[in-house]
Amino acid sequence: DAKTTQPPSMDCAEGRAANLPCNHSTISGNEYVYWYRQIHSQGPQYIIHGLKNNETNEMASLIITEDRKSSTLILPHATLRDTAVYYCIVRPYNTDKLIFGTGTRLQVFP
Amino acid sequence: DAGVTQSPTHLIKTRGQQVTLRCSPKSGHDTVSWYQQALGQGPQFIFQYYEEEERQRGNFPDRFSGHQFPNYSSELNVNALLLGDSALYLCASSLYRGGADTEAFFGQGTRLTVV
Repeated sequence: DAKTTQPPSMDCAEGRAANLPCNHSTISGNEYVYWYRQIHSQGPQYIIHGLKNNETNEMASLIITEDRKSSTLILPHATLRDTAVYYCIVRPYNTDKLIFGTGTRLQVFP
Repeated sequence: DAGVTQSPTHLIKTRGQQVTLRCSPKSGHDTVSWYQQALGQGPQFIFQYYEEEERQRGNFPDRFSGHQFPNYSSELNVNALLLGDSALYLCASSLYRGGADTEAFFGQGTRLTVV
């Protein structure tokens, strides 16, 4: 299973864009990149996922490098409610199993 | 549309006892996965159920077992509880697409404390 590396913590000012990096240098060609977040003591919340192309939805944008060895989750206008632990996950193509690492703790401040 | 619901929300058990946790998947979903999240750690995959059968299993002992019912709801059973089983137990549901991309939705979890 491909492993991901994320910074343990990041800060972001409210209203600014939050850019959360993730390294997945051992990713295989048919493995997806997923992002989830977990607000304290709640279940993880799905944010976005992608394979090769950049993706955008109402919550965030996902930028995947051309070699697919890294990606960036972008929250365009961070709010205090975006304070959470963000998990970058590489999901093998033949399984629904999600392998969580320790994630990035994002703190949004006023 | 109700999302993934889990019961109970909190539970306290004594070491050596047995516990059953329950999960109702999101409407339209047919696959249920269970995760264990220890304090300060990311969730760890326990197993997944589809068509009432265990389809995948993580690195957990046989004390952890499960069941899926015809209505797709699921139970997680843990026997001979250890202090180390204290954790947040999360249920996630999804729609099986044979390995294609899919989104898993999580419940709020059951906080199990073993004393």
